[in-house]
Amino acid sequence: GQNIDQPTEMTATEGAIVQINCTYQTSGFNGLFWYQQHAGEAPTFLSYNVLDGLEEKGRFSSFLSRSKGYSYLLLKELQMKDSASYLCAVRDSNYQLIWGAGTKLIIKP
Amino acid sequence: IAGITQAPTSQILAAGRRMTLRCTQDMRHNAMYWYRQDLGLGLRLIHYSNTAGTTGKGEVPDGYSVSRANTDDFPLTLASAVPSQTSVYFCASSDEGASGANVLTFGAGSRLTVL
Repeated sequence: GQNIDQPTEMTATEGAIVQINCTYQTSGFNGLFWYQQHAGEAPTFLSYNVLDGLEEKGRFSSFLSRSKGYSYLLLKELQMKDSASYLCAVRDSNYQLIWGAGTKLIIKP
Repeated sequence: IAGITQAPTSQILAAGRRMTLRCTQDMRHNAMYWYRQDLGLGLRLIHYSNTAGTTGKGEVPDGYSVSRANTDDFPLTLASAVPSQTSVYFCASSDEGASGANVLTFGAGSRLTVL
C-alpha cells in the first residue's frame, strides 16, 4: 500500500531551527509537496520538490531524496506564527496526491 | 479576492438527512476536488473533477456524490448522512502553473457534524 510517515508532533523554541521529516512509499513518484495548516484553517502551499536536492524559500527550505523516499522541511528563525501543522503529500504515478497525517509544530517562547 | 468559497461554514445534521456542501471558485481552474480531514488521518480525496462536465471517484467516495455543471461550481451531496461522515470537508482547485506543480488552493472548510 501507499504510505506517508511524518512525526505527529514536534516542539521547538522561538528563534531556533526545526526539521520536519517525511518518508514515503508510493506507487511511483511525480512530486512532493509541503503545506502549512493553522488550526481551524485551510492548508496553504509551501513548497514543491520533484528533483533531488534543496529548494530554499526565505526561512523555509525543503529537501528531497527520491532514492531514499525521504524529504524534510527546514524552518529557520522560528516565529510564534509558525505554530501550525505541516502536511507532506506525494503525487503518485497516477497523479493522485497521497497525504501524510501532518506534523503539529508547537513553538515555545 | 480570488479564491474558493465554501458554504456552510459549519452544520449540525440529523442522520438520514440530505445535505449539500457548496463550493465556488473564481480562479478559472479546471480541476476541483473534495477532501475530508479527520483527526490523525491525512486528507482523503472523496471526488474530483478534471474539467467541467466530468467527475471521478477518489479514495472514499461512498455516500457522496458530486456534479460539475460549469467551471466555477462543484457541490458535494450527502444523500443520507451517517455519523461516520462527521468531518471537516475541504474543497480545492488547481491549475498546472509554470512549474507543472499543480498546486492546490483550498477553501476555508465546512465542519459537518452528523448526529
